[in-house]
Amino acid sequence: GENVEQHPSTLSVQEGDSAVIKCTYSDSASNYFPWYKQELGKGPQLIIDIRSNVGEKKDQRIAVTLNKTAKHFSLHITETQPEDSAVYFCAASGSGTYKYIFGTGTRLKVLA
Amino acid sequence: KAGVTQTPRYLIKTRGQQVTLSCSPISGHRSVSWYQQTPGQGLQFLFEYFSETQRNKGNFPGRFSGRQFSNSRSEMNVSTLELGDSALYLCASRLTGTVNTGELFFGEGSRLTVL
Repeated sequence: GENVEQHPSTLSVQEGDSAVIKCTYSDSASNYFPWYKQELGKGPQLIIDIRSNVGEKKDQRIAVTLNKTAKHFSLHITETQPEDSAVYFCAASGSGTYKYIFGTGTRLKVLA
Repeated sequence: KAGVTQTPRYLIKTRGQQVTLSCSPISGHRSVSWYQQTPGQGLQFLFEYFSETQRNKGNFPGRFSGRQFSNSRSEMNVSTLELGDSALYLCASRLTGTVNTGELFFGEGSRLTVL
């Protein structure tokens, strides 16, 4: 069935360093890949997304890359700050459907 | 503009009982989805409603049901509660039509504890 694997489950980095979170999806029909950030006590919030016709997308300190052949996509956060500490979820959905399959989440801790 | 509102925020039930959770989407959003969030499992899709019709359904037993009203507000119901149903239930709304970007706007969730 459809599945999204996410690694690592926890990640600690020093402030100012980069963080990378990786996801692999199983459904080759998936064509939309969002990333959500969930802060304590809040619902997830979209931070960046990418569609299958694009290989990379960047928004300030955040970037996402997509390798359709390998069915991998990754989130890159540069110059991390303490406010980046949160749980990050990747997701995938197929064409014409908004049934998102989420990864299991990565708890990112940015150490000051 | 108000965000997605979920009620109640916290509730405690005992095994065998049933529970109804409510979600009010962002004004103008006609799609409402529900997700179950548990530690280690991430967010698991329950169902999506659009214009009062269920459009997608996840792999949950029939004890989990939902509905959507004409004003786009949605409810989900869990009957015959089990200990494993303890979780944070998240509702998300989405703008549909030509301006649809795919973005889900989540509420803060309803935390259900089953004793």
